[in-house]
Amino acid sequence: GQQLNQSPQSMFIQEGEDVSMNCTSSSIFNTWLWYKQDPGEGPVLLIALYKAGELTSNGRLTAQFGITRKDSFLNISASIPSDVGIYFCAGQLSQTGANNLFFGTGTRLTVIP
Amino acid sequence: AAGVIQSPRHLIKEKRETATLKCYPIPRHDTVYWYQQGPGQDPQFLISFYEKMQSDKGSIPDRFSAQQFSDYHSELNMSSLELGDSALYFCASSLGSDEQYFGPGTRLTVT
Repeated sequence: GQQLNQSPQSMFIQEGEDVSMNCTSSSIFNTWLWYKQDPGEGPVLLIALYKAGELTSNGRLTAQFGITRKDSFLNISASIPSDVGIYFCAGQLSQTGANNLFFGTGTRLTVIP
Repeated sequence: AAGVIQSPRHLIKEKRETATLKCYPIPRHDTVYWYQQGPGQDPQFLISFYEKMQSDKGSIPDRFSAQQFSDYHSELNMSSLELGDSALYFCASSLGSDEQYFGPGTRLTVT
């Protein structure tokens, strides 16, 4: 199956700091998405990227779709305590009948007030 | 805005029992996906439906089956439950191949 590796696995940062995490794949994807998951809850969509090289922002979040289509990164600026959670990247082939998501291994973020 | 609804939120079953999980997609979404997330793991795709037809199949055990009904809600049926089936089960919905939005999940515990 598809392997998506995220790094770092976990991060401890001070409130107000910027955060960067990335995701690499052995395969090409046509869509990259970033989700945040709180314990026991469903993943919440943060950003969706559809084109190689695309850079998209959503408030304090910025994500990029790698030019090779095998990687993506997510930046969070000026972190706040509610940013705590697990961040997952997900790749989607976006082909007919094959739109399921392949998830990364996750990055656990802890923000210290 | 309306979100994906899943029921029940929690379910406790014994080994060899059966379980049925329900998913109500966001209104006007025609595609439903089921994912399984074990403790400390990332979600793994099980099965998906588009316009009431199965569209893709992942690592779904033969003991599990699912369907999508005329009102687009979906049910995941799990039989002969095993301890290893204990996990969070998520449903996600989308309009065609657009972004997937996840429900709050059903936590299944098999004892």
